Amino acid sequence: NAGVTQTPKFQVLKTGQSMTLQCAQDMNHNSMYWYRQDPGMGLRLIYYSASEGTTDKGEVPNGYNVSRLNKREFSLRLESAAPSQTSVYFCASLRDGGNQPQHFGDGTRLSIL
Amino acid sequence: TQLLEQSPQFLSIQEGENLTVYCNSSSVFSSLQWYRQEPGEGPVLLVTVVTGGEVKKLKRLTFQFGDARKDSSLHITAAQPGDTGLYLCAAHSGTYKYIFGTGTRLKVLA
Repeated sequence: NAGVTQTPKFQVLKTGQSMTLQCAQDMNHNSMYWYRQDPGMGLRLIYYSASEGTTDKGEVPNGYNVSRLNKREFSLRLESAAPSQTSVYFCASLRDGGNQPQHFGDGTRLSIL
Repeated sequence: TQLLEQSPQFLSIQEGENLTVYCNSSSVFSSLQWYRQEPGEGPVLLVTVVTGGEVKKLKRLTFQFGDARKDSSLHITAAQPGDTGLYLCAAHSGTYKYIFGTGTRLKVLA
């Protein structure tokens, strides 16, 4: 019953460092998402992948890159971290079909000094 | 740009009180979802409303979709400490994309 697994759970970076956040789902879902959550701003979509081999920009893609490695895995990379990217990052997956729930991981708490 | 505005942003009430949380937009949506998020975890779906005017009940929680499908409300009757959390509304914004509301952080005091 793993669902969506995110690693790491916590990370502290210095400005300019790079990092990849990992996400894997075991529900055979086609669609996967990366969000960031900041106080008072709900969840904002960074990138999404509607199916293996495709990725698209969301609302706040600047400073991030993604890779849909296979159907299970969707990674988020910060090439040169900035303090404005301090946030909690959530990965989610979604089964095809109307009105399905998104299934979220427990998040990665990222601080950039 | 489609936006979902939630109110109030924060709510602190005593156990046993009733409360209503609102999710409003100027856009029309085909459906709307409500999620609850607890500290250290990701959001978990509570309900999806699809039809304008639809009312759904989940134990002490009552969800309503506005007639024009632009807004929704969540009413909690006799709130309990276990209801504490962040409540988020969400809606489709394109075929695969979702937008989330700004969130209502609820604290129920014993």
